[in-house]
Amino acid sequence: GENVGLHLPTLSVQEGDNSIINCAYSNSASDYFIWYKQESGKGPQFIIDIRSNMDKRQGQRVTVLLNKTVKHLSLQIAATQPGDSAVYFCAENNSGGGADGLTFGKGTHLIIQP
Amino acid sequence: DTAVSQTPKYLVTQMGNDKSIKCEQNLGHDTMYWYKQDSKKFLKIMFSYNNKELIINETVPNRFSPKSPDKAHLNLHINSLELGDSAVYFCASSQSSEQFFGPGTRLTVL
Repeated sequence: GENVGLHLPTLSVQEGDNSIINCAYSNSASDYFIWYKQESGKGPQFIIDIRSNMDKRQGQRVTVLLNKTVKHLSLQIAATQPGDSAVYFCAENNSGGGADGLTFGKGTHLIIQP
Repeated sequence: DTAVSQTPKYLVTQMGNDKSIKCEQNLGHDTMYWYKQDSKKFLKIMFSYNNKELIINETVPNRFSPKSPDKAHLNLHINSLELGDSAVYFCASSQSSEQFFGPGTRLTVL
């Protein structure tokens, strides 16, 4: 079936470096994408989202890139900090972010090395 | 101050029992959800409720039933618990796009 998946289950980055987490999706009807951060023992926390009419969106230290041609989504985190260590999920739906639930990818564990 | 809260945080029970998990949101959102996260951290939508109407039910066994007494609450009832029900269950709410998640309830079925 159609799903959202991640290329790398674990990513280790040196503190201060930039990190890139990748995500592939297969549902061409998806029009809303979102990245969540989940720390141990906590619920997912919103990081940044993007709609299909955009290819790039920036937040504070984070950038999301969307390539609809190859159905690829990425999250860039600049100047990583110890607090960035967490599991990161991409998610999508095809109702513009409305009442349908999100379809989540498998998650990437980002480890920030001191 | 908690936007989305769940109780209990931990729930340990025997197979065959019936249990409930409560969820409350104080954000005034119209839509609430239940997700299940398995041991491999995979998150999957179970239900969503909009203005007390069930919108989706993603092939969840009928042993699971959401109950919404009002717009701010969406409780999850589980009958005849099975070992495979062990997971972390997350409640979430949204008004338009971004979904806000609760802290989760870790359910362990023995």
